[in-house]
Amino acid sequence: ETGVTQSPTHLIKTRGQQVTLRCSSQSGHNTVSWYQQALGQGPQFIFQYYREEENGRGNFPPRFSGLQFPNYSSELNVNALELDDSALYLCASSPRPSGSQGEQFFGPGTRLTVL
Amino acid sequence: ILNVEQSPQSLHVQEGDSTNFTCSFPSSNFYALHWYRWETAKSPEALFVMTLNGDEKKKGRISATLNTKEGYSYLYIKGSQPEDSATYLCAPILTGGGNKLTFGTGTQLKVEL
Repeated sequence: ETGVTQSPTHLIKTRGQQVTLRCSSQSGHNTVSWYQQALGQGPQFIFQYYREEENGRGNFPPRFSGLQFPNYSSELNVNALELDDSALYLCASSPRPSGSQGEQFFGPGTRLTVL
Repeated sequence: ILNVEQSPQSLHVQEGDSTNFTCSFPSSNFYALHWYRWETAKSPEALFVMTLNGDEKKKGRISATLNTKEGYSYLYIKGSQPEDSATYLCAPILTGGGNKLTFGTGTQLKVEL
């Protein structure tokens, strides 16, 4: 069974640029959630995708957007990057969007630095 | 906004010491509480999922208790070892929250020889 993978591992961008981060969910999981962990904070929920549709969103502006593909892999896109977007971005997959006591499996994260 | 507090923020103990951390959360609309262990440069790893008031879970030297009425959970580590060094995060899920985890800032544990 393959775990959750994310790419790239590290990324450096400049202000105003756009970035795409990728996540492959664990086999058999149809739900992917994205989290942002800024320095000194716990991971903050960005949004969740279930069967290619957004299924809940945290307190993030519209320039944070996502996609989920038929194979349940997912992308997180951030437009017009700001310095405060520098963070570790985690994705987590789960077998369904609710129930199962919310068990989620995390990838190792993508470290984004915005200069 | 769900307020989740963890204490202490960081902890240094000697090998063999026992230690415990606290996670506080609002008790209304509670569905489940997750504890994660996160070693540097690795993925957060699920330790426990707790749902019932009075629940107690154990995995080796690590155990956790849950009080949903007063809104807290304790994580205990007995006989700490250097490999226990990690950040320990708690995350409650509310009813109707759609498996959205709301994390605390974590307790960073360092176990020294």
